[in-house]
Amino acid sequence: GAGVSQTPSNKVTEKGKYVELRCDPISGHTALYWYRQSLGQGPEFLIYFQGTGAADDSGLPNDRFFAVRPEGSVSTLKIQRTERGDSAVYLCASSLPLSGGPYNEQFFGPGTRLTVL
Amino acid sequence: AQRVTQPEKLLSVFKGAPVELKCNYSYSGSPELFWYVQYSRQRLQLLLRHISRESIKGFTADLNKGETSFHLKKPFAQEEDSAMYYCALKGGATNKLIFGTGTLLAVQP
Repeated sequence: GAGVSQTPSNKVTEKGKYVELRCDPISGHTALYWYRQSLGQGPEFLIYFQGTGAADDSGLPNDRFFAVRPEGSVSTLKIQRTERGDSAVYLCASSLPLSGGPYNEQFFGPGTRLTVL
Repeated sequence: AQRVTQPEKLLSVFKGAPVELKCNYSYSGSPELFWYVQYSRQRLQLLLRHISRESIKGFTADLNKGETSFHLKKPFAQEEDSAMYYCALKGGATNKLIFGTGTLLAVQP
C-alpha cells in the first residue's frame, strides 16, 4: 500500500509569508506526528495528533506554528509570518493507535523542504 | 532532561571492517530506544528497537543502562550500509521520538 505522502516536496517562500504543508498518513493510522529537521540536526518533534485532536503540541516553537487534522486523516501544518530560521525539512509520520503498550512504529513521509528567503 | 547524544558526525570504514555507531541517552525511567536509518534519497525508516533484541541486516544494538548507551554494531560493514543513522528515544506516553544528531556511515570499497 501507499506510504505517508507529503506535499509539496519543496516550498520556497519569502520572509513574512504564510505557508501550508500537507501530510497524508497511511490509511488506518490514527496517530500522526510532525517533526522538523534543520540542517545537520536530527528530527525534532513538533506536534502529535490522535484522531482529530492535538494530544501533544509541546514541540511547536511559537504561536506562528499551528497544525490541524479536521477529519482525522490528512493534516496541515501552517506557519504564519515565516522567518529565515523556519527553513528546514518538515517530516510527517503516522502510526497505528497508541495502546499504552510498547512503541508503535512510526512510518515517515519524504518530507517537505521549506526555504524562507 | 531527555536527550540523545551521537558524538560522531561521520564514521568512515572500509568494507569488511567492524562498525560501531555510538549513542548515549539521558532519560529518567525505563527507556525505549531505537535506531533509524536514512539511505540516500530514501525516507527515514526504523532499523531496530532495543526491546526486540533482534539483528537486522547484520546490525545489533544492546541497551546498557549502567552506561546509558545503545551503540549500534556490525561485525563486517558492507558498502550498502552507507547511510545516515539516527539513534532515538521514545519520549513519554505520546510515542514521540527524541532523535540524536545522526552519524553518517561511509563504507569505502
